[in-house]
Amino acid sequence: DTGVSQDPRHKITKRGQNVTFRCDPISEHNRLYWYRQTLGQGPEFLTYFQNEAQLEKSRLLSDRFSAERPKGSFSTLEIQRTEQGDSAMYLCASSSLRQGGNTEAFFGQGTRLTVV
Amino acid sequence: AQTVTQSQPEMSVQEAETVTLSCTYDTSESDYYLFWYKQPPSRQMILVIRQEAYKQQNATENRFSVNFQKAAKSFSLKISDSQLGDAAMYFCAYRSEGSGTYKYIFGTGTRLKVLA
Repeated sequence: DTGVSQDPRHKITKRGQNVTFRCDPISEHNRLYWYRQTLGQGPEFLTYFQNEAQLEKSRLLSDRFSAERPKGSFSTLEIQRTEQGDSAMYLCASSSLRQGGNTEAFFGQGTRLTVV
Repeated sequence: AQTVTQSQPEMSVQEAETVTLSCTYDTSESDYYLFWYKQPPSRQMILVIRQEAYKQQNATENRFSVNFQKAAKSFSLKISDSQLGDAAMYFCAYRSEGSGTYKYIFGTGTRLKVLA
């Protein structure tokens, strides 16, 4: 197990283009999270999945953002019609559904998006 | 809604000395977890220490310990014998347990500088 993996690590795109990021969680983890982090700020919650079900989505999340986890394994985050304000680090994390056990989230290295 | 506040944007400590990072949170729930995460420059976020709200005993992990004051909703991190490798952003995080939402809520972070 190599931890949470995100691809790509960096993405530069022109304003108005669509981008898609991928996250591969730790294999036995049921929960998968997407966060956005801007410079000098803490991670901001976007959405999370339990298995393949998207259980919660931030009200701050524009309808240009969509996430999927079709088979309860890897997840994708798509941003349509990107704007300069979307420039940020996009973090993926996963955690185990295990009562009374270790419940911390394990983070990937993130995808840094730059919209020019 | 739950919130996490870190009121110290930046802290400095001399190598081998002790430093305490502050965190307060707001919640109406009784069952939850608290975490401290470390994010070194350009590297992924890793867990430093966790605390279950139902446990009165403060968590300890080697040189890292917490002072958990549930009534005051305070959760500070103490780093003893500070090392150069401790320099990083530190984030306090809250996660509900049992309320149906399992997202992690982060503070804005404290940048820790370790002086040689």
